[in-house]
Amino acid sequence: DGGITQSPKYLFRKEGQNVTLSCEQNLNHDAMYWYRQDPGQGLRLIYYSQIVNDFQKGDIAEGYSVSREKKESFPLTVTSAQKNPTAFYLCASDFPGANVLTFGAGSRLTVL
Amino acid sequence: GENVEQHPSTLSVQEGDSAVIKCTYSDSASNYFPWYKQELGKGPQLIIDIRSNVGEKKDQRIAVTLNKTAKHFSLHITETQPEDSAVYFCAASNSGAGSYQLTFGKGTKLSVIP
Repeated sequence: DGGITQSPKYLFRKEGQNVTLSCEQNLNHDAMYWYRQDPGQGLRLIYYSQIVNDFQKGDIAEGYSVSREKKESFPLTVTSAQKNPTAFYLCASDFPGANVLTFGAGSRLTVL
Repeated sequence: GENVEQHPSTLSVQEGDSAVIKCTYSDSASNYFPWYKQELGKGPQLIIDIRSNVGEKKDQRIAVTLNKTAKHFSLHITETQPEDSAVYFCAASNSGAGSYQLTFGKGTKLSVIP
């Protein structure tokens, strides 16, 4: 079945450590996205990529980094510069212009 | 930029009753309005969308209405069932710009009481 796989589902991190969240899709989608979800908040865009080897900052990119070396993969690194990293992170993908996002099941990051 | 307000933040209904969730948007250039449903422990899933050239769209028990003049759109769920319990997000964008332009509301947690 086609879809988006995010891993790990749960992750604990000590303050000052970087952590990388994985996102893999087999939908042949060109565009991929990272969103952050906090309780009672909407989905806020962190980074997006519409083509391999190119990505753009979203609304809340500070303290995060991404790479897009392969069409299928769009990993997100939460760096120690992110002041409040505890959140639920969602990866999504679509064809550019399709406006129909397919989401993964999410990764919950807790900073201890 | 676009601003999307969503109300209510929580909604409880008896099974079989109707549920209505309302959203307002600020950018008159927005012309695409999707609704996503997020079940517990899962990512959101598109359930219905509407474009600004229509006023209403139905899909079985769910419907969305759009009032461009007032800049608001609503999700209607009839004959609610326990499996409708979830968090619902509205969003707005200019469809020509791509999904990265989507602005989401803060979500409504719907609880359907058996």
